[in-house]
Amino acid sequence: QSALTQPASVSGSPGQSITISCTGTHSDVGANNLVSWYQQYPGKAPKLIIYEGTKRPSGVSGRFSGSKSGNTASLTISGLQAEDEADYYCCSSVRSSTWVFGGGTKVTVL
Amino acid sequence: QVQLQESGPGLVKPSETLSLTCTVSDGSLSYHYWTWIRQPPGKGLEWVGYVFYSGSTNYNPSLKSRLTISLDTSKSQFSLKLNSVTAADSGVYYCARGSVMGGFAIWGQGTMVTVS
Repeated sequence: QSALTQPASVSGSPGQSITISCTGTHSDVGANNLVSWYQQYPGKAPKLIIYEGTKRPSGVSGRFSGSKSGNTASLTISGLQAEDEADYYCCSSVRSSTWVFGGGTKVTVL
Repeated sequence: QVQLQESGPGLVKPSETLSLTCTVSDGSLSYHYWTWIRQPPGKGLEWVGYVFYSGSTNYNPSLKSRLTISLDTSKSQFSLKLNSVTAADSGVYYCARGSVMGGFAIWGQGTMVTVS
């Protein structure tokens, strides 16, 4: 199974909105709603911020939102803040049996 | 809040077996996918595999021939064994709890394993 495709980096100014794409195939992203997103700071474990494509766990800021169209899922961060500077990873079920991550996107707040 | 803690050797010789254990703090291994995820130095996350609470398993196809993940409910632990390791298997190994809704909501702090 091949890694999902994410842009290597995305940047934005404080207050702006940015969107990170996650492109897969009809066997993974396009096959179901089991896409999740993770935020990771250097040296720390990842944190779940979106699951089932669009849902936020309790305690996650409403500035994070997820969506999907066809074989591409997206994570939008609105009202960008300095604390959002981190690496972000998407993850999808593959044929409802295994899982695959994206290559990761480094978000820089200018 | 349940917590996960990885344990195991930080250094493994090439061609030998990498063995790690994850301890679940609240003792409950029910109805979740008990998962291993790894991250090579400076690189992205890679799903390794899981053991379901029923004992059934599923592995990354690229690791399947070398990998065993198992559950020990009496010790509230699940384990990973990866044999014939090479330097490419070096990295931080995380244990995580996955749900049927598809997210890995709880993670261990990770443990660094070097193959050398």
